[in-house]
Amino acid sequence: AQSVTQLDSQVPVFEEAPVELRCNYSSSVSVYLFWYVQYPNQGLQLLLKYLSGSTLVKGINGFEAEFNKSQTSFHLRKPSVHISDTAEYFCAVSDFSNTGKLIFGQGTTLQVKP
Amino acid sequence: DAGITQSPRHKVTETGTPVTLRCHQTENHRYMYWYRQDPGHGLRLIHYSYGVKDTDKGEVSDGYSVSRSKTEDFLLTLESATSSQTSVYFCAIAASGDIQYFGAGTRLSVL
Repeated sequence: AQSVTQLDSQVPVFEEAPVELRCNYSSSVSVYLFWYVQYPNQGLQLLLKYLSGSTLVKGINGFEAEFNKSQTSFHLRKPSVHISDTAEYFCAVSDFSNTGKLIFGQGTTLQVKP
Repeated sequence: DAGITQSPRHKVTETGTPVTLRCHQTENHRYMYWYRQDPGHGLRLIHYSYGVKDTDKGEVSDGYSVSRSKTEDFLLTLESATSSQTSVYFCAIAASGDIQYFGAGTRLSVL
């Protein structure tokens, strides 16, 4: 069974500052890793994914994440945030089975202040 | 949300009544999923489908049933709604067992 822990429920940051949203996972098998973003009153949008290959993955809107197998982490980073990045961010894992079931973390609310 | 339509988008109902939520896709994807979103819990899988008439339970399936008689439609039914089922419900689709795409959600209130 897998589990996901997002270490911060809320992250306040000033506009143009860098940000890191932390995600740790637990699994006895190899996994796929995802970050989704949810803007207010909207559905979830895929930000980026790690399926295989390079451990540094780049996503939309200038976000990137690094898969660290030894630390079982998949932290999300952005070098300079904008007001429009204010949203809730979810880390998720799935195993290599063909069902694709996702296990989500609790979510991190990113609050970008002017 | 392209290719995925959830209906209704908002619903208020009373305890003990049956409720059916619909997810419709135009992508012809094989996999469909129902999740519920609650504060502090992220999203949790209720049921999923891997083909027409092929469904299975997720993490929080008690009190819910599903049906998929056509590739494009996946229905979620609350047999007898309870206040604990007040939540936001999301449908997701996937072509294969990796990347999922989500609908806009249905906000359900059970009074």
